[in-house]
Parts: sequence; C-alpha cells; structure tokens
Amino acid sequence: DTGVSQNPRHKITKRGQNVTFRCDPISEHNRLYWYRQTLGQGPEFLTYFQNEAQLEKSRLLSDRFSAERPKGSFSTLEIQRTEQGDSAMYLCASSPPRGGDYNEQFFGPGTRLTVL
Amino acid sequence: AQSVTQLDSQVPVFEEAPVELRCNYSSSVSVYLFWYVQYPNQGLQLLLKYLSGSTLVKGINGFEAEFNKSQTSFHLRKPSVHISDTAEYFCAVHTGTASKLTFGTGTRLQVTL
Repeated sequence: DTGVSQNPRHKITKRGQNVTFRCDPISEHNRLYWYRQTLGQGPEFLTYFQNEAQLEKSRLLSDRFSAERPKGSFSTLEIQRTEQGDSAMYLCASSPPRGGDYNEQFFGPGTRLTVL
Repeated sequence: AQSVTQLDSQVPVFEEAPVELRCNYSSSVSVYLFWYVQYPNQGLQLLLKYLSGSTLVKGINGFEAEFNKSQTSFHLRKPSVHISDTAEYFCAVHTGTASKLTFGTGTRLQVTL
C-alpha cells in the first residue's frame, strides 16, 4: 500500500494525558498537512509542512499542540494535557512537489481521538 | 479568505434515482475546487477536481460536477445512485497560493431501496 498511513487509528485517553500521532506520507511527497474533523463537521486545517519546515499554523493549533517533521518524511502531532474538546478525527494529507497531482491532497485514514 | 457552503446537510434518495449535491464558494481569487467522499470511520477519497479548462468535470464512481464561475457554484451530480454511494460528501476549495483546503460542512447522502 503506497497511500498515506496514520497510527494509531484509534486512541482513547484520559483528560490531562499527552498523546502523539504519527503520519507517514506518500513517498516523495514533500508537502504534508494536518486537519482536525469534529463530529458532523468538515475537516479544519491545523498546520502545513513543506519538507521539514512548518510553514503555516492555524489559530486552532493552541499551545498544547505541537507538530514536527524532523527529516521531511513522517510527521508527528502531539497534544499535551488533553481536554475533552480535543476529541476528534485527526487527518493527515500529503501532496507531491510537481506533476499533475500537484494541487491535490491525498488523505490518510485518520486517527480518532477520544478524551474521557 | 475563502469559504464553502454546502446547502444541504442531508439528502435522502432512492436507489437508481438521480442526485445533486450543492456547493457554493466564496473567494476573491481564482480557486481550485474538489469533491471528496468519506465513508464511516475512514479518511477522505477524492471524487473529482476542477483546476482549469472544461467546466464539466467527470470523476470516479459515475459522479460529475460543473463549475459555474458566475454563480460561484460547483454542484455534484450522479444520474443514478447506488446503495454503496451512501456516505458523507465534502466540497473543498484551494486557491493555489494558499497551502490549505477549506471544506464545507458536508452533505450526508442516504440511498435507500
């Protein structure tokens, strides 16, 4: 399977705990995006990487959220001191550097976070 | 900034009937337009996209959409739906110069016998 992969697929945690999600983009895709989707809503942009550089962050990304892409390949999204309002599906997407799919974002299956 | 409005939160339809899911957008610059489908507990799959050229775009699973610049719309259509089309459908825009997709709130297509 050469698509975007995300791990874990599901995460249940208690309020106040830290959680970390991983996204592996499609090989050679240099752009990587994180989105959050709450129940009954469309995905909302969180942050964007081009290679290892984090070029844009949404105001939704509070100080408790941090994302990294240290070697320009996989990315991690960490949430510290989780709150019940963080419960959502976290989606990762990637895009190639050139070619016919340049303006398309390929999505992974998502990580569903439940904060108790 | 751009925005997307999906006018119908739910669309019930009988199998083999035609369907149209509506999408309107707002942007001060040229846009790229997309329709994604999401099945329960899964990620988003691209149905079709409009980047430039012909305003009628054909996608996977028999879906098509028409870009109407004067009405700022990008409605999704299928002439005959199947039970397996039951899913959530999202319209999204991208300006090309921005990095992010802006999504609508989605339309739940419910196909019944």
